[in-house]
Amino acid sequence: GDSVTQMEGPVTLSEEAFLTINCTYTATGYPSLFWYVQYPGEGLQLLLKATKADDKGSNKGFEATYRKETTSFHLEKGSVQVSDSAVYFCALGGSNSGYALNFGKGTSLLVTP
Amino acid sequence: GAGVSQSPRYKVAKRGQDVALRCDPISGHVSLFWYQQALGQGPEFLTYFQNEAQLDKSGLPSDRFFAERPEGSVSTLKIQRTQQEDSAVYLCASSSKTGLLGYTFGSGTRLTVV
Repeated sequence: GDSVTQMEGPVTLSEEAFLTINCTYTATGYPSLFWYVQYPGEGLQLLLKATKADDKGSNKGFEATYRKETTSFHLEKGSVQVSDSAVYFCALGGSNSGYALNFGKGTSLLVTP
Repeated sequence: GAGVSQSPRYKVAKRGQDVALRCDPISGHVSLFWYQQALGQGPEFLTYFQNEAQLDKSGLPSDRFFAERPEGSVSTLKIQRTQQEDSAVYLCASSSKTGLLGYTFGSGTRLTVV
């Protein structure tokens, strides 16, 4: 079945460092890919999405490119801030599962001043 | 309302007790989803409503779990005879469309079964 694998955390970075969180997927068909972010005590928020191969999703300085050849959707940010500290979830949907999302286990990011 | 509202935020239940978790979706949203998030894991799909119709309940882990949305707005997830493995955060999401692109999640209900 469809699944998502993302790098394990926690990831600790200094402010202004470069961030990469790896995400790879397994799916039949043509899924859409998502990154969600969960700040402490809050619900999941959609960070960015891509609906087809080679699409790049971007938001708040974060980017991810849908790479069909490597089945990947890595999250990147050029310069992280303390306020980016959160748990990041890669998710897949729209393939076999239709409307349901398949989430990875999440990667915790801590950015220190 | 402005967002998806879930209540209670926290619930402690004794093993064997029945619980009911409420979700108020964004007004007018057609689609409503329930997910279960165990500690340290990603959310897992439980069930999906389109208006009042429950179109998919394939993710409900056992027949102790029951969800309803009788008037196509507020939804309740009920867990009967709670067990320790039911401890998790239960997330509700709603969408104005039947597809994937407009999900809005609530803050969740953290259920602890003791």
